[in-house]
Amino acid sequence: AQSVTQLDSQVPVFEEAPVELRCNYSSSVSVYLFWYVQYPNQGLQLLLKYLSGSTLVKGINGFEAEFNKSQTSFHLRKPSVHISDTAEYFCAVSDFTSGTYKYIFGTGTRLKVLA
Amino acid sequence: GAGVSQSPSNKVTEKGKDVELRCDPISGHTALYWYRQSLGQGLEFLIYFQGNSAPDKSGLPSDRFSAERTGGSVSTLTIQRTQQEDSAVYLCASSLSGTSTDTQYFGPGTRLTVL
Repeated sequence: AQSVTQLDSQVPVFEEAPVELRCNYSSSVSVYLFWYVQYPNQGLQLLLKYLSGSTLVKGINGFEAEFNKSQTSFHLRKPSVHISDTAEYFCAVSDFTSGTYKYIFGTGTRLKVLA
Repeated sequence: GAGVSQSPSNKVTEKGKDVELRCDPISGHTALYWYRQSLGQGLEFLIYFQGNSAPDKSGLPSDRFSAERTGGSVSTLTIQRTQQEDSAVYLCASSLSGTSTDTQYFGPGTRLTVL
């Protein structure tokens, strides 16, 4: 079975600074990777996903992520964050066990953007 | 509605009582998932439905937990004889067909507090 590790539980960053949220997954023959964002008191919404093709994936709200097979990583980046990016970010991998394509989630990274 | 809805949004119950949590998926989505989000533990897969059948119940933590889905649409997650460790946010998601590349769309969750 797959596993996902988000190394940072909290990341504080000043407004307009760049940010990188780290995600590593356990190795598999093929992976599909996702980043979701959860704003305060809201449900999860998809930021971006990697299925195949270009290893640099662009998502909503100016976020992008790079799939690195050799390092089994899928780090999320934004060159300049806004206060409104304050949220919890979850990395997930699609896992096929027991006949189900379910998500295996990381424990989340809480991004706090400071004025 | 356009998105996944869940009810109630908040539920406070006493230890030992039964609770029912409801999920209305996006119309036309055949796959439905329940996850549990506990503080500091990320999201934990509970159960998956394809249509009305549940081919994967592997994530249900004990036999006090059960779920059903009727008419290929609404799903109910039931927790019997609730315990304090059941306190969490219960998230429902649906996807078009339940394949590995599908995007899962999440509801806002039900926050369960067991006193």
